[in-house]
Amino acid sequence: NAGVTQTPKFRILKIGQSMTLQCTQDMNHNYMYWYRQDPGMGLKLIYYSVGAGITDKGEVPNGYNVSRSTTEDFPLRLELAAPSQTSVYFCASTLTSGGADTQYFGPGTRLTVL
Amino acid sequence: GQNIDQPTEMTATEGAIVQINCTYQTSGFNGLFWYQQHAGEAPTFLSYNVLDGLEEKGRFSSFLSRSKGYSYLLLKELQMKDSASYLCAVRNDYKLSFGAGTTVTVRA
Repeated sequence: NAGVTQTPKFRILKIGQSMTLQCTQDMNHNYMYWYRQDPGMGLKLIYYSVGAGITDKGEVPNGYNVSRSTTEDFPLRLELAAPSQTSVYFCASTLTSGGADTQYFGPGTRLTVL
Repeated sequence: GQNIDQPTEMTATEGAIVQINCTYQTSGFNGLFWYQQHAGEAPTFLSYNVLDGLEEKGRFSSFLSRSKGYSYLLLKELQMKDSASYLCAVRNDYKLSFGAGTTVTVRA
């Protein structure tokens, strides 16, 4: 299994541009998450999904959109990029929401908006 | 709301023991996780507690007191490769809320 994969690894955007961060998992996990991590900070939840066709907002959703058309894929869309969106973005997945089922994280996308 | 506090930085010597505390006040609780994150990498799972008490996994142990809203991660026989950030996270339903992380530096 590849686990959770994310593309691209790095990206520089100009203010006002848009882009999609890709996330794919091959573990047949139901739950998927997008986080952002600013320097010296913990992870903040942007959006999450409990299954294909179902998404919901997390703590910091403004400026982002998501979709979940398949179990495997959970892309994050940035419209009208702003410098405040400069961050490291992590995608994660987990099979269930209970017990010791942990979230597995992708390697991250490092985004700079200039 | 969610409030999860942990110290910002800790330094210890190779071979020593370090204890990282985490206090939390959250609207719900169904488990506490500890993750390790090396610089420039993704977080990886270390431990999970849902009942009060100590869970031991090799050199790492984690303790939970739900009544006090308190957990700690104990790292024994520190090695240079243990230099990393350690994240405390509380699960409420199917979402995790993270502390800001504790950066541990291990000196020779």
